[in-house]
Amino acid sequence: EDQVTQSPEALRLQEGESSSLNCSYTVSGLRGLFWYRQDPGKGPEFLFTLYSAGEEKEKERLKATLTKKESFLHITAPKPEDSATYLCAVDPFAGGYNKLIFGAGTRLAVHP
Amino acid sequence: DAGVTQSPTHLIKTRGQHVTLRCSPISGHKSVSWYQQVLGQGPQFIFQYYEKEERGRGNFPDRFSARQFPNYSSELNVNALLLGDSALYLCASSWVGTGFNFGPGTRLTVT
Repeated sequence: EDQVTQSPEALRLQEGESSSLNCSYTVSGLRGLFWYRQDPGKGPEFLFTLYSAGEEKEKERLKATLTKKESFLHITAPKPEDSATYLCAVDPFAGGYNKLIFGAGTRLAVHP
Repeated sequence: DAGVTQSPTHLIKTRGQHVTLRCSPISGHKSVSWYQQVLGQGPQFIFQYYEKEERGRGNFPDRFSARQFPNYSSELNVNALLLGDSALYLCASSWVGTGFNFGPGTRLTVT
């Protein structure tokens, strides 16, 4: 069964304290892995798409990496405005259509 | 460029009633997908539509249905509402070479 597990469930950081979020996945075949940011009561905001093991992408203080079994979202010198829930999702090969399977997310709180 | 739009923003319904939620995709995107997000969980896939046909369906009962119109906008319909249908309903638009862009969601409360 296709599955995504994110850890930790919640993370509290001091401003400037770098850390990493983990996304472990099990899929029969991977079309793509996605990272989203979600603020309370709002829709997910797209961050990155990764397609193959070894791929890396960066945007401001965020860097996403991908292996055959997991992905990491590295946050360098975070600021309070980075506080949000970060969602990981996979798009497995599934009968000719796209079906994102999400993890439960990591709630990040960055304190000044 | 306008992003994905959804309406209404939020609504309150009573058990047993019916609800219709609407979504307009990003211009040029021909595929629309619907997701249900219960508080504290990640979104769960309900449907994907493109070229006005259902292309995939998640593990949801037949009370959930959808359609896509010639302008690629979409409606999600839920009949015989249950308390457990209370959630944030998200629409995502996509097309070849794009990612999945989510709208702001519709917050449905069933009492």
